[in-house]
Amino acid sequence: EVQLVQSGAEVKKPGESLKISCKGSGYSFTSYWIGWVRQMPGKGLEWMGIIYPGDSDTRYSPSFQGQVTISADKSISTAYLQWSSLKASDTAMYYCARARLPAAIDWFDPWGQGTLVTVSS
Amino acid sequence: EIVLTQSPATLSLSPGERATLSCRASQSVSSYLAWYQQKPGQAPRLLIYDASNRATGIPARFSGSGSGTDFTLTISSLEPEDFAVYYCQQRSNWPVTFGPGTKVDIK
Repeated sequence: EVQLVQSGAEVKKPGESLKISCKGSGYSFTSYWIGWVRQMPGKGLEWMGIIYPGDSDTRYSPSFQGQVTISADKSISTAYLQWSSLKASDTAMYYCARARLPAAIDWFDPWGQGTLVTVSS
Repeated sequence: EIVLTQSPATLSLSPGERATLSCRASQSVSSYLAWYQQKPGQAPRLLIYDASNRATGIPARFSGSGSGTDFTLTISSLEPEDFAVYYCQQRSNWPVTFGPGTKVDIK
């Protein structure tokens, strides 16, 4: 069974750094693009960026370029989303999702369960 | 960036009724449009891809149509588990974008 399991909820202070994870299993991790999606409280879905773990090719949505870093460690089948200095406005649920087809920036399915990040002083 | 607009924002219907949701793109996305369902407290789930193809395991009561700039998601007869928020998404151009969502709630 294909699964994406995300790391647990985080509570951080403004200015702190954070790295959340998304571990893939049940498929060839290096062969499928993985994306990250933000959902702010009570709001809609926003694509942040995608990464191809096979060669670490990464694309960012303009709104998130320079704000976050997406990476992957193929040796442990895990993708990451990280911030160097969190802001209160980063408070949101973050989802990872895998492309439906290998080696293609395709539709994304399945999704991880989400990681809730709360940034508050 | 391609902007997707969804209407209505909220659709209030009863179980057994037909639901028709609309998604309009600011420029042509060909057939590169998908629909996702999100229930409270859950991750989104892919329903329809390439405008009209049902994803694996999606019931036949869900159907999608359209191309270019105008798309429709139809739920032929609402089941209790279908009350949720539905998002359209395009992947014709990077960045991929989502619409703001349509909430289907119980009348």
